[in-house]
Amino acid sequence: DTGVSQDPRHKITKRGQNVTFRCDPISEHNRLYWYRQTLGQGPEFLTYFQNEAQLEKSRLLSDRFSAERPKGSFSTLEIQRTEQGDSAMYLCASSLAGARDTQYFGPGTRLTVL
Amino acid sequence: DAKTTQPPSMDCAEGRAANLPCNHSTISGNEYVYWYRQIHSQGPQYIIHGLKNNETNEMASLIITEDRKSSTLILPHATLRDTAVYYCIVRATDSGYSTLTFGKGTMLLVSP
Repeated sequence: DTGVSQDPRHKITKRGQNVTFRCDPISEHNRLYWYRQTLGQGPEFLTYFQNEAQLEKSRLLSDRFSAERPKGSFSTLEIQRTEQGDSAMYLCASSLAGARDTQYFGPGTRLTVL
Repeated sequence: DAKTTQPPSMDCAEGRAANLPCNHSTISGNEYVYWYRQIHSQGPQYIIHGLKNNETNEMASLIITEDRKSSTLILPHATLRDTAVYYCIVRATDSGYSTLTFGKGTMLLVSP
């Protein structure tokens, strides 16, 4: 399977704990995006990387959130001191810069904060 | 990016064509129309996109009106597996990257 993969698929944690999610994009894609989706809503943009550079962050990305893409391949999204409001589906997408630049999404990581 | 308007829900009988409308009356000349769908508890799946001309691929057809203010996604022979939320998104792609701005989409229910 050469699509976008995310790990873990599900994460249950207690309030105040730190969690880290991983995204592996499609191999030749140089752009990587993180989105968050809460129940009944469409996905909302969090942050974007081109290669290893984080070029944009949404205001939704509070100081407790940090994302990295150290070698321009996989990316991690860490949430520190989780809150119940962080419960959501975290989606990763990747694309190849160019005329099409179509984003392809992974299956998501479902986070539940108790 | 321009906003879109979609009906919140639609029904379709299995085997019939599903026609999902989208209004994007403020679309700019450099903005494409994209369609994604999201089956329950999965990530969004890219379906098709277009600028001016009608487009067709193995999944669907996209019909864009001449004034580009609206479009229709057509699933020619809907199956139960097509039950999903369908998102219509307009997005500029000629000035570097741009993110996808999702609305609430249309919940399509395909019934036997």
